[in-house]
Amino acid sequence: DIVMTQSPDSLAVSLGERATINCKSSQGISYSSNNKNHLAWYQQKPGQPPKVVFYWASTRESGVPDRFSGSGSGTDFTLTISSLQAEDVAVYYCQQYYSTPYTFGQGTKLEIK
Amino acid sequence: QVQLQQSGPGLVKPSQTLSLTCDISGDIISSNTAAWHWIRQSPSRGLEWLGRTYYTSKWYNDYAVSVKSRITINPDTYKNQFSLQLNSVTPEDTAMYYCARQFNSVFGVWGQGTMVTVSS
Repeated sequence: DIVMTQSPDSLAVSLGERATINCKSSQGISYSSNNKNHLAWYQQKPGQPPKVVFYWASTRESGVPDRFSGSGSGTDFTLTISSLQAEDVAVYYCQQYYSTPYTFGQGTKLEIK
Repeated sequence: QVQLQQSGPGLVKPSQTLSLTCDISGDIISSNTAAWHWIRQSPSRGLEWLGRTYYTSKWYNDYAVSVKSRITINPDTYKNQFSLQLNSVTPEDTAMYYCARQFNSVFGVWGQGTMVTVSS
């Protein structure tokens, strides 16, 4: 199984400041046939299911504010929020969909400092 | 838009079978561009993918090794729904269970979640 490891486990950032969450996969998650990274980022707020924020590592889901950005390739990926807003408080998860079993990171809890 | 509505009991006794259903609206379960998944979430195990069913000329299923001997995911084309059965449950199976639709590789639509507790 591909292990997804996120860092940090929790993060406190001041409003308007940058938040950066990292995700590392235990092996590469892109196929040479499409050169795409099979990685998604999810945002989960209390009492709600996860909501996709990015797929293919850097493709923003419709409706996601452009202060969110996704980057990375190979085994190292990053979710960045350029200017933290109160509504961004949530737990963020990365997930690989390169091969089954699809696996998730352990989550990063993002809070306001 | 596509919506998933889950149903099923929130309390299951140890050794019995957990059964949940996910009703689909806005899409067809036999679509050859979507796959239908069950995922669970618990404090101890985090988000755990359990399995999927999908149709491309015929029906396929994939299951997580951790539950492979106990799980069945069945599509129902008449009711446009799919189900999860997990046999011989233990308290370790206590979790929030979600169904989800994967389309163009994205898990873009999730059910509302069902909290299932395994207890006598």
